[in-house]
Amino acid sequence: QVQLQQPGAELVRPGASVKLSCKASGYTFTSYWMNWVKQRPEQGLEWIGRIDPYDSETHYNQKFKDKAILTVDKSSSTAYMQLSSLTSEDSAVYYCARENIITTVVDHWGQGTLVTVSA
Amino acid sequence: EIVLTQSPALMAASPGEKVTITCSVSSSISSSNLHWYQQKSETSPKPWIYGTSNLASGVPVRFSGSGSGTSYSLTISSMEAEDAATYYCQQWSSYPFTFGSGTKLEIK
Repeated sequence: QVQLQQPGAELVRPGASVKLSCKASGYTFTSYWMNWVKQRPEQGLEWIGRIDPYDSETHYNQKFKDKAILTVDKSSSTAYMQLSSLTSEDSAVYYCARENIITTVVDHWGQGTLVTVSA
Repeated sequence: EIVLTQSPALMAASPGEKVTITCSVSSSISSSNLHWYQQKSETSPKPWIYGTSNLASGVPVRFSGSGSGTSYSLTISSMEAEDAATYYCQQWSSYPFTFGSGTKLEIK
């Protein structure tokens, strides 16, 4: 079955960077776009961007263009998102989520990584 | 950027009651690119309705979706306790992909 495994939590200092991982299994990693979504506590969902693991083509929400970098490692079927210059506004749950190539619906979501930015 | 406005933001329904949640889109989109997700506390969102009216796997048939252009809706024909959750609409038509702000549905 399709699984997207994410670490549960990361604690990072203000101004630092963090690289979040999303290990995919149960399907052909290079055949589906991977999306990243942000959710702040008691807030809605915000699309950060997507990456095609086949050729690393990326599309970003302009709001996150200077904040997030999406990459993949095809050898380990793992997607990554690096977040830089972290502030309290970046404290949130970050989900990786696979996009269905036919319907475009995001049909599988990781459990999410809670990023806490604190000194 | 396409803005999705959901209403109501919060509502409560009694068991057996019919529920309708609306999603207004700021620019016309193809109905094939309008999706709904269900999210319960402390869990990841789940795909619920895709392409405006297609139920995702495992979704009860009391749910339905409809709409076109700039106006879409999710309907529950008869509310059940397990339907209490937050529902988000989402457009996958143009960048940046955007979500509605969510409708929190509670059981009375």
